[in-house]
Amino acid sequence: GESVGLHLPTLSVQEGDNSIINCAYSNSASDYFIWYKQESGKGPQFIIDIRSNMDKRQGQRVTVLLNKTVKHLSLQIAATQPGDSAVYFCAENSYTGRRALTFGSGTRLQVQP
Amino acid sequence: DAGVIQSPRHEVTEMGQEVTLRCKPISGHNSLFWYRQTMMRGLELLIYFNNNVPIDDSGMPEDRFSAKMPNASFSTLKIQPSEPRDSAVYFCASSQRQESSYNEQFFGPGTRLTVL
Repeated sequence: GESVGLHLPTLSVQEGDNSIINCAYSNSASDYFIWYKQESGKGPQFIIDIRSNMDKRQGQRVTVLLNKTVKHLSLQIAATQPGDSAVYFCAENSYTGRRALTFGSGTRLQVQP
Repeated sequence: DAGVIQSPRHEVTEMGQEVTLRCKPISGHNSLFWYRQTMMRGLELLIYFNNNVPIDDSGMPEDRFSAKMPNASFSTLKIQPSEPRDSAVYFCASSQRQESSYNEQFFGPGTRLTVL
């Protein structure tokens, strides 16, 4: 797989700590949001999604929070592990609009052992 | 399931040459997407197909870029003539589009294109 060395905001955390990655979106009509993880040399991989009728959704070690008032999305990773090191992208879509996703610029998460 | 398959994985060519990138979506998926990822612009959509028909090509940068989907299991993205600024990683993704729900997109491993 492939990836590019983007000059991205970087979040550095210690192994075992919780991580919070933030994303601001601009389209108030967006009603579906996804977090993707991109490891070095690979394509983006789905982590978790949330619809606009929810403000919180939990997965395994991950939680997504949605604040529609301020158009903000966050991804929380509990007990961060070295394998969580990657670039994380939020993406948005509108069910009534184009079906393709619009991606944010991404955040690089570095987990220190 | 083999996932989305892209070829080649790496392509190095000279300016002015034609480049063809290939994608095989996941079997049963009816939507296919081409993305480009660069340091400057991040991940951006170029074009997407639904049931082999191009739905939105507004992201295609210019006439040098063209994409086809002759059948449900194959798509190509062609650049002719190629330019150094086309150097990027090109991703293909597919999903099972349904009218009543949203659908996760599954990404291929990407093709790293370098135009000298």
